[in-house]
Amino acid sequence: DAGVTQSPTHLIKTRGQQVTLRCSPKSGHDTVSWYQQALGQGPQFIFQYYEEEERQRGNFPDRFSGHQFPNYSSELNVNALLLGDSALYLCASSRARDRVGTGELFFGEGSRLTVL
Amino acid sequence: LAKTTQPISMDSYEGQEVNITCSHNNIATNDYITWYQQFPSQGPRFIIQGYKTKVTNEVASLFIPADRKSSTLSLPRVSLSDTAVYYCLVGDGANAGKSTFGDGTTLTVKP
Repeated sequence: DAGVTQSPTHLIKTRGQQVTLRCSPKSGHDTVSWYQQALGQGPQFIFQYYEEEERQRGNFPDRFSGHQFPNYSSELNVNALLLGDSALYLCASSRARDRVGTGELFFGEGSRLTVL
Repeated sequence: LAKTTQPISMDSYEGQEVNITCSHNNIATNDYITWYQQFPSQGPRFIIQGYKTKVTNEVASLFIPADRKSSTLSLPRVSLSDTAVYYCLVGDGANAGKSTFGDGTTLTVKP
């Protein structure tokens, strides 16, 4: 049973460019959450997708957008990249029925983005 | 969102028991307490979750006092491979938007 998979694992972009990161959730999971983790800090919640819609959003600008596909996979898009967007981007999947009360997040290995 | 406070770092030796405490004074009635472990350049991994009193699984125990304003993760007989960052997460289970990761506790296990 494959866990959460993310691609690409590493990428380098320049300021002003756009990037798309991809995530496939764990089998049986229907909810995908995205996090940004800067070096030395804990993961910061970006947004969560369920039933192909953004359900919750953290304190991130509109440059950060996403999408969820019918097969539950998801993309994170970041436009007009800034140096400060350099971070590890983590995808986590879960089951909707677990979101209230008990339940755990299953994380992928992340995509390391470097903005030059 | 409940804010969590953990020690920045802790050192231990192989074979010792390690206790990491997390403070969450404004925990809500519906909030659960979940601990995650993270190795460098990897995603966090679930360790244990609880609501009150004590929970134990094959890798750790979680102690939660009656007022639920703090919790303690207990790792029995740590090994070098337990060197990692440990995060206390307080919120509504896997409801990511209603949970907040702090900066975690870096545990270093020495031989």
